[in-house]
Amino acid sequence: DTEVTQTPKHLVMGMTNKKSLKCEQHMGHRAMYWYKQKAKKPPELMFVYSYEKLSINESVPSRFSPECPNSSLLNLHLHALQPEDSALYLCASSQDRERTGGNTGELFFGEGSRLTVL
Amino acid sequence: GEDVEQSLFLSVREGDSSVINCTYTDSSSTYLYWYKQEPGAGLQLLTYIFSNMDMKQDQRLTVLLNKKDKHLSLRIADTQTGDSAIYFCAERYSSASKIIFGSGTRLSIRP
Repeated sequence: DTEVTQTPKHLVMGMTNKKSLKCEQHMGHRAMYWYKQKAKKPPELMFVYSYEKLSINESVPSRFSPECPNSSLLNLHLHALQPEDSALYLCASSQDRERTGGNTGELFFGEGSRLTVL
Repeated sequence: GEDVEQSLFLSVREGDSSVINCTYTDSSSTYLYWYKQEPGAGLQLLTYIFSNMDMKQDQRLTVLLNKKDKHLSLRIADTQTGDSAIYFCAERYSSASKIIFGSGTRLSIRP
């Protein structure tokens, strides 16, 4: 099983709503990532979890709240978003390079959740 | 700073070779990657190269790495219509967990 599964595929929400994006992998990877991708732009790193602990937060606004309940799951909780937050949100996982030397550390991506904020 | 640069567009004739170029910033990067993204989809890893290598070949794909100039290229031989996509180079920073993507090159194939 080499899949990273993201739900929902599409989400439309108002600025006052609270919603969550979910990501799941069963490859035994211990690092999980959230990236944000605007149209015609590269993915921008938001958060990295390593061994279920937040290791990188790229100065993301607090209206985005990540959560890693266990090694297979990664959530992104959304609250009071702005229209400019509309984007494709990509989840990825990798073997944790620091703890498992010798692996190539590539990211395995999900298909993304396309978010529209009205 | 963190900046991985690519040219935005490339158009090639079907059957010709495509060469996509990338420059990166972190001289201590360990791995460099090429990802492909088709419309509406996530990113798919095409190939990678370790920083102590100069070249890697994988079927139609050839990766060249010039560490001195921090320049990476991806050559796709016998380009097909199915190769139409955006191609991102990416570098893994020496701080391990951080992978930064280039701006992406949109490859279009003409008959």
